[in-house]
Amino acid sequence: EVQLVESGGGLVQPGGSLRLSCAVSGFTSSSFWMTWVRQPPGKGLEWVANINQDGSAKSYVDSVRGRFIISRDSADNSLYLQMNSLRAEDSAVYYCATGHWTFDFWGQGTLVTVSS
Amino acid sequence: DIVLTQSPDSLAVSLGERATINCKSSQSVFYRPNNQNFLAWYQQKPGQPPKRLIYWATTRASGVPDRFSGSGSGTDFTLTISSLQTEDVAVYYCQQHYSTLPITFGQGTRLEI
Repeated sequence: EVQLVESGGGLVQPGGSLRLSCAVSGFTSSSFWMTWVRQPPGKGLEWVANINQDGSAKSYVDSVRGRFIISRDSADNSLYLQMNSLRAEDSAVYYCATGHWTFDFWGQGTLVTVSS
Repeated sequence: DIVLTQSPDSLAVSLGERATINCKSSQSVFYRPNNQNFLAWYQQKPGQPPKRLIYWATTRASGVPDRFSGSGSGTDFTLTISSLQTEDVAVYYCQQHYSTLPITFGQGTRLEI
């Protein structure tokens, strides 16, 4: 059974950093593109970043480019999102998902709250 | 960026009746080389992650009931639920990947009974 489990969310002050993790089980994550999608509380979905199978290609939405870094580790079958210089508007549930263009497996999400 | 505008923002449909949700793109998402529309539909129930229902505008994902169908091409798309069930209460999103920088979603349509 495919499972994606996010962790690392929490409360952080503006300007702070967090590192999100996504543990993958049930398949070899390095076989797939992986993606982060976020959802502010009560609002819609926003694509954040994706990464190809070997980590050589990465893309970001403009609002996070230069502040967030997506990465993956095939050894522990995990996906990461390093989030720096966090802003209030980054507050959201962050989901990891499989896929490059459309997203077929999703985790349950981890909540990030940026507030002083 | 490609903007997807869904209509209506919310709708209420009786059990067993048809529900129709529209998605209009600010530019065509039809890719002529493979004759496909780069559009997908997702369902999100309260407290759950989204679930992919439809891709390539008309192809049902594995395990999705056949009461869900997608149609349209170019800039105008429709998700239809032929006979609404209680478990279909959710928010529905369209998503384009014709332009992948960035991939964008519609604002969502809340479906109630």
